[in-house]
Amino acid sequence: DVKVTQSSRYLVKRTGEKVFLECVQDMDHENMFWYRQDPGLGLRLIYFSYDVKMKEKGDIPEGYSVSREKKERFSLILESASTNQTSMYLCASSLPRAGYEQYFGPGTRLTVT
Amino acid sequence: GENVEQHPSTLSVQEGDSAVIKCTYSDSASNYFPWYKQELGKGPQLIIDIRSNVGEKKDQRIAVTLNKTAKHFSLHITETQPEDSAVYFCAASIDFGNEKLTFGTGTRLTIIP
Repeated sequence: DVKVTQSSRYLVKRTGEKVFLECVQDMDHENMFWYRQDPGLGLRLIYFSYDVKMKEKGDIPEGYSVSREKKERFSLILESASTNQTSMYLCASSLPRAGYEQYFGPGTRLTVT
Repeated sequence: GENVEQHPSTLSVQEGDSAVIKCTYSDSASNYFPWYKQELGKGPQLIIDIRSNVGEKKDQRIAVTLNKTAKHFSLHITETQPEDSAVYFCAASIDFGNEKLTFGTGTRLTIIP
């Protein structure tokens, strides 16, 4: 069974903290994605990676960075967390090309106080 | 870039009735249109998709229709059941290279027993 796992289901951090969200997939997928989900705004792409050490900005990259040192792992970094980054964060992976299914993790609910 | 609008944002239907969710897209080059279902506490999961070389696709109780001229596509669920209650997202993309998916804002479907 295909699996995308995220390091935490719930996370509470303080303003200004550096935050790491980890995502691991076991399907040997080339593409990995980080989305943010907010009510009424749907899923918005933050960053994606189509290969190890490769990354591309999505629609809302400001305030975020990513790291992909191994094919199976894709990390989202909030350099200095702010309250407007309180949200649900979803990781996904897929084979190359947009026409392949994206497999999502269960999400991390991040609260920044 | 691509813009996807989705309506309605919430939908309640009586068990056994049909539900229809509609999406419009802006980029005429888009040719891949998936639908994802997100159950409570889980990440979205692909339920059906359609490519622009067909106008309709069915899978048991769900169907998707595509009108390329009008740039809109719809999800139809017949004989709704309680387990259909979820948030549904449409998306659009160009099916080659590393093009990203652009998601709609989501529809919360509630099936009333």
